Amino acid sequence: DAGVTQSPTHLIKTRGQQVTLRCSPISGHKSVSWYQQVLGQGPQFIFQYYEKEERGRGNFPDRFSARQFPNYSSELNVNALLLGDSALYLCASRRTESANTGELFFGEGSRLTVL
Amino acid sequence: GESVGLHLPTLSVQEGDNSIINCAYSNSASDYFIWYKQESGKGPQFIIDIRSNMDKRQGQRVTVLLNKTVKHLSLQIAATQPGDSAVYFCAEAFPPGSARQLTFGSGTQLTVLP
Repeated sequence: DAGVTQSPTHLIKTRGQQVTLRCSPISGHKSVSWYQQVLGQGPQFIFQYYEKEERGRGNFPDRFSARQFPNYSSELNVNALLLGDSALYLCASRRTESANTGELFFGEGSRLTVL
Repeated sequence: GESVGLHLPTLSVQEGDNSIINCAYSNSASDYFIWYKQESGKGPQFIIDIRSNMDKRQGQRVTVLLNKTVKHLSLQIAATQPGDSAVYFCAEAFPPGSARQLTFGSGTQLTVLP
């Protein structure tokens, strides 16, 4: 079975531009979460979606938005890009909204560079 | 000006030795903890988890210890192998009881020496 897949793997944008990152969860997983990982740091929670509804939001500005589609795939949008948005954006999926195991499966990430 | 990334704590061990990676967590109400391994260019990979009603849990070559009194976690890797070289993160689940989001620590870079 395929794991969590993300696209694009790498991209370069300039300040002020907008970016859309895409994620396909593992088949059968209904929950998708997004994390931002700045170089040298641990991932930081951005959003969680379950059954197309936002279930959690981290401490990120409104320039960050996301949505989940009926097939459970998800998009993360970032508007008005800043240099500080340069990071690895990780998508993670799990079978349920909040599982007893809590096990999250991460994708390889989308590496965003803002110039 | 140019931003500089944080320097990760590092741990170097000889192949075959045991490794111990430590982590302090912040929220005394946290009830679920996970260790992840992240290899260069890849996403974090689940290693082992533990609930707050336990103080020790063992997996294959790995053991996690939880000390709630001092809010401390440790990951022990037995007979460390070259493939264990990676960054290791501990994470606490929030909010308690639902594990909807994870708060990650800053990570430890483990290097296995031949």
